[in-house]
Amino acid sequence: GAVVSQHPSRVICKSGTSVKIECRSLDFQATTMFWYRQFPKQSLMLMATSNEGSKATYEQGVEKDKFLINHASLTLSTLTVTSAHPEDSSFYICSAPGTSGRGGQETQYFGPGTRLLVL
Amino acid sequence: SQKIEQNSEALNIQEGKTATLTCNYTNYSPAYLQWYRQDPGRGPVFLLLIRENEKEKRKERLKVTFDTTLKQSLFHITASQPADSATYLCALTGGGNKLTFGTGTQLKVEL
Repeated sequence: GAVVSQHPSRVICKSGTSVKIECRSLDFQATTMFWYRQFPKQSLMLMATSNEGSKATYEQGVEKDKFLINHASLTLSTLTVTSAHPEDSSFYICSAPGTSGRGGQETQYFGPGTRLLVL
Repeated sequence: SQKIEQNSEALNIQEGKTATLTCNYTNYSPAYLQWYRQDPGRGPVFLLLIRENEKEKRKERLKVTFDTTLKQSLFHITASQPADSATYLCALTGGGNKLTFGTGTQLKVEL
């Protein structure tokens, strides 16, 4: 099946610094990728839709200047958390749409996630 | 407002029994509904998709039902095993392939 990777898997940074997270589709192309955030014991919340070659679209309440998204190629999207603060500490997960099974069911392939801790 | 509800309490069952998880939604008219498995510290993994015109879908020990009148999906794992222990998420698809997830139900299968 399709594989999505993320790098880094864990990152610890000081408050005020910026952190870049990469999301790659390894064996397929993705014109669209999605970025989610998940706090402990909570579900995944969609932050933004990353579109190759155009601007990302952000969900309501997500600051686009704080969470910069760049989708420069058909296999790579990056999320940069700018001027990170402790409240940004979370589990960030990306996904890319694809198809699964003989019937070609539409699904999402998720990366393994990036654990961000801001001190 | 749109809501997707799953039982937030953990479900503990004995090995070999059938686990049944519930997903209820309001103010949605989804074209299809998906179920994912998530292990701690990992991204979700796709399990099954069921369309609005399908009543039931099966895959090995998994079975999903979809009742658009009740606005409910049931997810069953038969002959459950300790390896099935995880959090199970239901998700509805909106426009542009966007997924909205329920809160998930943690399943623990005990020996």
